Amino acid sequence: SQQGEEDPQALSIQEGENATMNCSYKTSINNLQWYRQNSGRGLVHLILIRSNEREKHSGRLRVTLDTSKKSSSLLITASRAADTASYFCATDTGSGGYQKVTFGTGTKLQVIP
Amino acid sequence: DGGITQSPKYLFRKEGQNVTLSCEQNLNHDAMYWYRQDPGQGLRLIYYSQIVNDFQKGDIAEGYSVSREKKESFPLTVTSAQKNPTAFYLCASGLFAGELFFGEGSRLTVL
Repeated sequence: SQQGEEDPQALSIQEGENATMNCSYKTSINNLQWYRQNSGRGLVHLILIRSNEREKHSGRLRVTLDTSKKSSSLLITASRAADTASYFCATDTGSGGYQKVTFGTGTKLQVIP
Repeated sequence: DGGITQSPKYLFRKEGQNVTLSCEQNLNHDAMYWYRQDPGQGLRLIYYSQIVNDFQKGDIAEGYSVSREKKESFPLTVTSAQKNPTAFYLCASGLFAGELFFGEGSRLTVL
């Protein structure tokens, strides 16, 4: 089974609304990252939050991390049609000098113009 | 331009054949990764490497092999032992404890 699981699996909203995606993971992490993937393309990094951080912002993105609950959320404010994509959380669980990054199952976001 | 390049973009294979997917980066990253993505699914880790001549099995390494003879290159071989190889393969690289940079992927279809 995968380290991370996103919720919901799919989300459809109107342009201008906010979109919230959640990620739960199973083991302790060094950091958690969020990525975006347009259909059939490679992933693009959005934001990284370290295990000792609780919240981080980047433009219209806000990420929270609760290590006690092993969960994170990604908020996209004032969504645009161009935000339509799949979003994945990824966790770094490496140790001993190794960085091991594993991904969740993803949330497919559709923003309707 | 700096980046990570995967080739070929599309590859067709007959059952029983080995195929090798290329991944090259000029970002001077130590870490490199291979992931498999099935339709509508997340990414699953096949192999990863932190330094030259060293690599670790990921969650689904069976039927795959890799080498890391140069810092810039991390080729993946899909062997005939991989029973269901049709998938989208993604290569990534990164600095330690940092973000990953992805290639555009290679789509393998078994005929």
